[in-house]
Amino acid sequence: DTEVTQTPKHLVMGMTNKKSLKCEQHMGHRAMYWYKQKAKKPPELMFVYSYEKLSINESVPSRFSPECPNSSLLNLHLHALQPEDSALYLCASSQDRVGNSPLHFGNGTRLTVT
Amino acid sequence: DAKTTQPNSMESNEEEPVHLPCNHSTISGTDYIHWYRQLPSQGPEYVIHGLTSNVNNRMASLAIAEDRKSSTLILHRATLRDAAVYYCTLWDMRFGAGTRLTVKP
Repeated sequence: DTEVTQTPKHLVMGMTNKKSLKCEQHMGHRAMYWYKQKAKKPPELMFVYSYEKLSINESVPSRFSPECPNSSLLNLHLHALQPEDSALYLCASSQDRVGNSPLHFGNGTRLTVT
Repeated sequence: DAKTTQPNSMESNEEEPVHLPCNHSTISGTDYIHWYRQLPSQGPEYVIHGLTSNVNNRMASLAIAEDRKSSTLILHRATLRDAAVYYCTLWDMRFGAGTRLTVKP
């Protein structure tokens, strides 16, 4: 079990669907991250929130829309995805954005786009 | 962007020490060095981090070169459960390709 909880664990969606991935942590962390991981590849940073404000967007297509409604929650809204977007989506949190704060990861949502 | 390079794969025998190297020649003076590992079907797991001095915890040791351009993660006695992909990252939390560690019984 991890201290970062991601739901759902698995998601299958069509290209016209709208869905959301959710991430929750109760460690009082003020930085939260979304990563995308394809099979046998390293995690790829997508978005970083710091104190509930978006601080990094790695030029992610607009069909991915992040949201941080409060310091404990992070959402990733998905719309009009492509089959190549199928991947493991990982959420992480850290105490803050200084280099001394390790990341705590959830176990991810495995997304399949059909 | 900060960048790290690691060997693609390494092998070890069970109960022997393992030294996993990482090069980070563009590191700046305030960049912490972090190590994570990822077991199959799980998210990455924090292992250890440090700035200048060598660090030890219950999982591993981190040896940092004097010029900080490289570091080595040391697993003192590898077990089968240590088989994973090991990533070293700097402050920006962007992951390189990592090292796939295989542990042979």
